[in-house]
Formats: sequence, C-alpha cells, structure tokens
Amino acid sequence: DVVMTQSPLSLSVTLGQPASISCRSSQSLAHSDGNTYFNWLQQRPGQSPRRLIYKVSNRESGVPDRFSGSGSGTDFTLKISRVEAEDVGVYYCMQGTHWPLTFGGGTKVEIK
Amino acid sequence: QVQLVESGGGVVQPGGSLRLSCVASGFTFSNYGMHWVRQAPGKGLEWVAFIRYDRSSEYYADSVKGRFTISRDNSKNTLYLQMTSLRAEDTALYYCTMAFDIWGQGTMVTVSS
Repeated sequence: DVVMTQSPLSLSVTLGQPASISCRSSQSLAHSDGNTYFNWLQQRPGQSPRRLIYKVSNRESGVPDRFSGSGSGTDFTLKISRVEAEDVGVYYCMQGTHWPLTFGGGTKVEIK
Repeated sequence: QVQLVESGGGVVQPGGSLRLSCVASGFTFSNYGMHWVRQAPGKGLEWVAFIRYDRSSEYYADSVKGRFTISRDNSKNTLYLQMTSLRAEDTALYYCTMAFDIWGQGTMVTVSS
C-alpha cells in the first residue's frame, strides 16, 4: 500500500501569516493516464471533510485563493498564504492513484 | 441541493452485522463512482471501499476485505455498505463521498459487547 506521510503533525500559526504542510508518498503518484491523483482535504472541528485541492494543484470551487497546492511524483505541499481563523482544523493529503486509496495522518492547524 | 445522507449506524456486538445506506440527491448519482470512508473516534480518515458508477468494479481496504460489501441501487440513488463479522476496531463514523468532493454527515457505528 502507498504510505502517505505528512509533516508537521501540528502547526500553530499567527493570523495573517503563511503556513505550509508537506506530504510525501512512498511511491510515485503519477498515473499511467498522465494525471496525478493527489488531493488535499480540510476537516474543520465537528464537520465532515471537504476537498480543497484535487490533482495536486486544482482548487475546488469556492476555496479561497490563499490555498495553493504544488508538487509532483512523491512530494507535495499545501500552502496557505495568510492564515485566517476559519482555517483551523485538520488537513489531510490523500492519493487516488493506487488501490487501496490512502490518506496521510493529518496535520492539525491552530491559531497562535 | 447536492446532498448525501447516511443512515443505518448503531451499536452492534462483535461478530455482528450492520448495513449502512447513503441516499444521494441533487446530482446524477448513476454517473459517479462512490466511496465509503471512516474515521475512528479522535483519529484520522481511512478509506474503506469504492464502487464504480455502473457497479462494474469494487475495491476494498485490506482491513475490511472479505467482511464488508459495497453496493448501489442507481434506481434509488442509494449506496450501501454491508458490514459483517464486525470487530471493535471497526468502531468509527462512516462517511459516504462522491469523489471526495461531496460528503455526507456520517453515521456512527459502535462495535461493543
């Protein structure tokens, strides 16, 4: 199975400051069809998860442009350009290239 | 509006069975593959199972293979998860999701004697 390793486990950020979360996969997530099926999800406290980014760098409709995704192969990054209070929660990376699908362990983001 | 509503959770003894349902509305259910994802209390997300839009293929996590069965009825816009031989470690909030884009609110399964 593909192991997804996120870092850091938690992040305490001052409002308005940037934040960055890394995710590394144990094998390349490049699919033979040319796509890389890598997502970032956000789970706010008490809520269902929500997909922020799909296929590495594509923002879902309604996701603020302060969120951006980048990476390729086995290394991926989620950046928040200026953290806002509503960004508090747990962020998960996940891969959809190889069965079984797998998630990272999550990164908890809180406000300092 | 686009919505997924899960039901069928509850408390069951180890070794027991349960069937979860997920009713979709607001989109053409029969056009999309569907997943089940679970989250144990205080833990992260775990993918459980997937079924293609036309039921042509199913995939399972190793932890549930042989015990859980995913199915769907496109005429009823409903996704199912039949769970058998339940274990304490299956205790979790079970979500259905369409492409990880649309999520339900989850239904809680507790396996305990």
